[in-house]
Amino acid sequence: GQQVMQIPQYQHVQEGEDFTTYCNSSTTLSNIQWYKQRPGGHPVFLIQLVKSGEVKKQKRLTFQFGEAKKNSSLHITATQTTDVGTYFCAGVGGGSQGNLIFGKGTKLSVKP
Amino acid sequence: DAGITQSPRHKVTETGTPVTLRCHQTENHRYMYWYRQDPGHGLRLIHYSYGVKDTDKGEVSDGYSVSRSKTEDFLLTLESATSSQTSVYFCAISDGAGYNQPQHFGDGTRLSIL
Repeated sequence: GQQVMQIPQYQHVQEGEDFTTYCNSSTTLSNIQWYKQRPGGHPVFLIQLVKSGEVKKQKRLTFQFGEAKKNSSLHITATQTTDVGTYFCAGVGGGSQGNLIFGKGTKLSVKP
Repeated sequence: DAGITQSPRHKVTETGTPVTLRCHQTENHRYMYWYRQDPGHGLRLIHYSYGVKDTDKGEVSDGYSVSRSKTEDFLLTLESATSSQTSVYFCAISDGAGYNQPQHFGDGTRLSIL
């Protein structure tokens, strides 16, 4: 079945450094969504990318969708301690309703 | 945050006992989902519903059943709990099909099966 792979699994950075997490699918995705989960919290929707090559920005966060629509990335510029958490990508899976398949996430820790 | 309430928030029970988790929403969203989250596995879909009495299986549905008799309530039942079902369970809702609309998650239920 379809798989969504996410790397790295963990990332430790010094506050102020940049951070990037990558998401790769075994099949072409119609779209991809990104979520953030703070420690002890629930996943929170960040953004959805639909178009090939699409780039979207939210303040210090930049999201990209690959030209082939099989990969995506999230880049955070100048990390802050508030960025701590696990970042998940999710692409469309199988089934009649096309449900989301989540990557295993990248856990980001930021050292002040 | 979306109006989603999961109950109970924490539960400890013994192997072989039945367990029911409840998800209640006040958003009148059509789609509801149950996920489990385990270390190293991320979020995995157990069952979902696309309307009252309309449900379907997800990736890890064995050992679980669901019911949706009202738009606002989606129940997840473990008929005979096993230790492998120890996990954090999240309910999510979306206004349209999950691949096309954001999903909004509840606060989760931490379930321990001893």
